[in-house]
Amino acid sequence: KNEVEQSPQNLTAQEGEFITINCSYSVGISALHWLQQHPGGGIVSLFMLSSGKKKHGRLIATINIQEKHSSLHITASHPRDSAVYICAGPKYSGGGADGLTFGKGTHLIIQP
Amino acid sequence: VTQNPRYLITVTGKKLTVTCSQNMNHEYMSWYRQDPGMGLKLIYYSVGAGITDKGEVPNGYNVSRSTTEDFPLRLELAAPSQTSVYFCASSDDRANSPLHFGNGTRLTVT
Repeated sequence: KNEVEQSPQNLTAQEGEFITINCSYSVGISALHWLQQHPGGGIVSLFMLSSGKKKHGRLIATINIQEKHSSLHITASHPRDSAVYICAGPKYSGGGADGLTFGKGTHLIIQP
Repeated sequence: VTQNPRYLITVTGKKLTVTCSQNMNHEYMSWYRQDPGMGLKLIYYSVGAGITDKGEVPNGYNVSRSTTEDFPLRLELAAPSQTSVYFCASSDDRANSPLHFGNGTRLTVT
């Protein structure tokens, strides 16, 4: 069974600050997902990564397979980045992955 | 991924269906519920037409997958404990492809 833990649970920062959200998991994985959920809104897949680093605009995701740890960074944060960020890894049962197991999310608020 | 309805209010004991369809030819589809302060929990999933399987929290729910496109979620006897936000998702793979989520259904059972 893969446990996914995120930190911090809540994060409030000022516009322009560099943001880091952490995710750790308990068993080896093939891929880790980062998702974004805006208030009252749907869920969007930001990244899926199995090694190294990926960048999309001001968002950067990194993963360290040996340490079973991933981080999501936001550079030059903006109020529109305010959302819940969720990491997820494979959910194993018996013969293999049957879906994803999700962290509880990090509620990020960027104040102007 | 198209999920309907967005909001649903019903009473205990009623039968209801939340629909989900996708046009990306994804084999894998899944249903999740999201409760405050908790991570998304897998209810049911399907790896192709005619194949469904239970997730972590299947009790009180049913699904079917008669076509690749459609994966409805059914509550046979709605209960207040099923008050939650429900998300349908699809992807090419169980865990190694990006998930595409529906907009969610906020269900209230009184």
